[in-house]
Amino acid sequence: KAGVTQTPRYLIKTRGQQVTLSCSPISGHRSVSWYQQTPGQGLQFLFEYFSETQRNKGNFPGRFSGRQFSNSRSEMNVSTLELGDSALYLCASSLARTGFLQETQYFGPGTRLLVL
Amino acid sequence: AQKVTQAQTEISVVEKEDVTLDCVYETRDTTYYLFWYKQPPSGELVFLIRRNSFDEQNEISGRYSWNFQKSTSSFNFTITASQVVDSAVYFCALSEAGPTGGGNKLTFGTGTQLKVEL
Repeated sequence: KAGVTQTPRYLIKTRGQQVTLSCSPISGHRSVSWYQQTPGQGLQFLFEYFSETQRNKGNFPGRFSGRQFSNSRSEMNVSTLELGDSALYLCASSLARTGFLQETQYFGPGTRLLVL
Repeated sequence: AQKVTQAQTEISVVEKEDVTLDCVYETRDTTYYLFWYKQPPSGELVFLIRRNSFDEQNEISGRYSWNFQKSTSSFNFTITASQVVDSAVYFCALSEAGPTGGGNKLTFGTGTQLKVEL
């Protein structure tokens, strides 16, 4: 079974631009979560989507948004990019079976975003 | 608020040595889940082990073992007979069940860089 895939793998943008990152979960997984990893702040939770709805949200400004499609694929958007948005963005998926709590999240390879 | 502390920033060992990575967590919830992930230089987080708060049985899986102690809020991870391929950053993570029991939100520690040398 294929793992979590993320595209693109690398991205260079300039301040003020916007960017869209894509994540395809493991087949059958219904929950997709996004995390930001920076040297200064470490790994931080951005948000989680389940059944096309945002189920959990971290402490990030509104410039960070996401969505999930009916096939569970997810996109994350960052508008008005700032230098501090340079990071590795990781997507994770989990089964999210009804009645099961906190199922294991499996991560993709990440998208490295550099903002100049 | 939940918190995960990995006090060891970097550990260097010689191949075949055993190494233990420490993790201390804080949570007010009675139901929670603990994880260990490995991040090689490629960047992808690789799932290693998972433990829930109501099961303190410690286990061994191949060269990996873990020691979960609720009394001290610790979830330590041991690699036996370390190998060069074990070199990576290891993250301990905590997940809490939400009010409705669902949701996935991991709180990570700052990670421990493990270097295994020949």
